[in-house]
Amino acid sequence: QVQLVESGGGVVQPGRSLRLSCAASGFTFSDYGIHWVRQAPGKGLEWVAVIWNDGYNKYYADSVKGRFTISRDNSKNTVYLQMNGLTAEDAAVYYCSRDGGHRGYDYTFDVWGQGTMVTVSS
Amino acid sequence: DIQMTQSPSTLSASVGDRVTITCRASQSISKWLAWYQQKPGKAPKLLIYKASSLVSGVPSRFSGSGSGTEFSLTISSLQTDDFATYYCQQFKSNVFTFGPGTRVDIK
Repeated sequence: QVQLVESGGGVVQPGRSLRLSCAASGFTFSDYGIHWVRQAPGKGLEWVAVIWNDGYNKYYADSVKGRFTISRDNSKNTVYLQMNGLTAEDAAVYYCSRDGGHRGYDYTFDVWGQGTMVTVSS
Repeated sequence: DIQMTQSPSTLSASVGDRVTITCRASQSISKWLAWYQQKPGKAPKLLIYKASSLVSGVPSRFSGSGSGTEFSLTISSLQTDDFATYYCQQFKSNVFTFGPGTRVDIK
């Protein structure tokens, strides 16, 4: 079945780096854009970044621009989020999500992973 | 950047009630508006896309309307499974933004 599985979360000190992974299965990965969306404890959803299916077009939220980098490896059906210079404000559950455009659900998040928790603490 | 607001922030209702949630964008987003349902500890679920189109498999008691800057999500007859938090989400100029959410709880 269609599935996204995040990994790589954990506890990291302020200023340090972490790389999240999102492994996809059950669909033609190279047809879809993939997003990262985060949710701080008890808070709402915040879009973080998208990488479109060509792997070249990438866009970021202002809150992470210059610190986070999204990338993908279509041979491994995996998207990555490299997070540098982490602060307490980056602590959240990070979800990867598929863009629904190829199914006609343009510019939406139609499939979600279960999320991976990132804690920033000294 | 486009700001999204939702009202109310919390809504108390009973099973069978008709409920409407409003979402406003700070500038026109045409029809690029989606709605999601999220339950505690779970990932969000896509309900509505392009403002008024129902995702396959979503019950027909959910409906969306609006365009430009004002949108709404209506649940025609609230069911027990519908108590959750609802988010709107916009897309414009390669930026995606969620509304702050509306929690629907049991009266």
